Amino acid sequence: NAGVMQNPRHLVRRRGQEARLRCSPMKGHSHVYWYRQLPEEGLKFMVYLQKENIIDESGMPKERFSAEFPKEGPSILRIQQVVRGDSAAYFCASSKGGAAGIFGDGTRLSIL
Amino acid sequence: AQSVTQLGSHVSVSEGALVLLRCNYSSSVPPYLFWYVQYPNQGLQLLLKYTSAATLVKGINGFEAEFKKSETSFHLTKPSAHMSDAAEYFCAVSEVNSGGSNYKLTFGKGTLLTVNP
Repeated sequence: NAGVMQNPRHLVRRRGQEARLRCSPMKGHSHVYWYRQLPEEGLKFMVYLQKENIIDESGMPKERFSAEFPKEGPSILRIQQVVRGDSAAYFCASSKGGAAGIFGDGTRLSIL
Repeated sequence: AQSVTQLGSHVSVSEGALVLLRCNYSSSVPPYLFWYVQYPNQGLQLLLKYTSAATLVKGINGFEAEFKKSETSFHLTKPSAHMSDAAEYFCAVSEVNSGGSNYKLTFGKGTLLTVNP
């Protein structure tokens, strides 16, 4: 998984706080995907971004969740007013194009 | 919509035994299919992928998978299990967008492989 950097690796938030998850893609990759993994579930697609554009956000909850991939800097997945159900592992993957991206090691979000 | 079913959430084998992890898919178009492995507290690592070329696909660490269209299957095998193979394995299918490019993955729920000494 070298190359795709996610931080923080672990994040603890209290209900109602905001969570910001960062993903720095591999050098040369301009496509970023975010997935969420709930306990005993496979990964679920959330959003697909290219530089400065959201291509597909069909897997994002309608409220409280947003994502961006600015021209400079990492991609950010933002969760506002977190609730217990947001506890999960969040993974990003990057690629030059196509689905078989390189995955980061994830951010484990815990909500108290 | 595409979907993936992995039969058996937990498979246990002895070291040196055959590994067989089952995956069936549903897709309205010719699929791209993938197997990933996940070790504890890590991300997913691509083992192999099928992209409409040879139906028998060889991957890393001695794994291979065979695409069988008639059975809508893409089972993962390895002739001889090693202790280091113990991990969770995910089968995935890729969706093709309106432009004909494949992008997001739909995953199965995973199969946890344990290897007994």
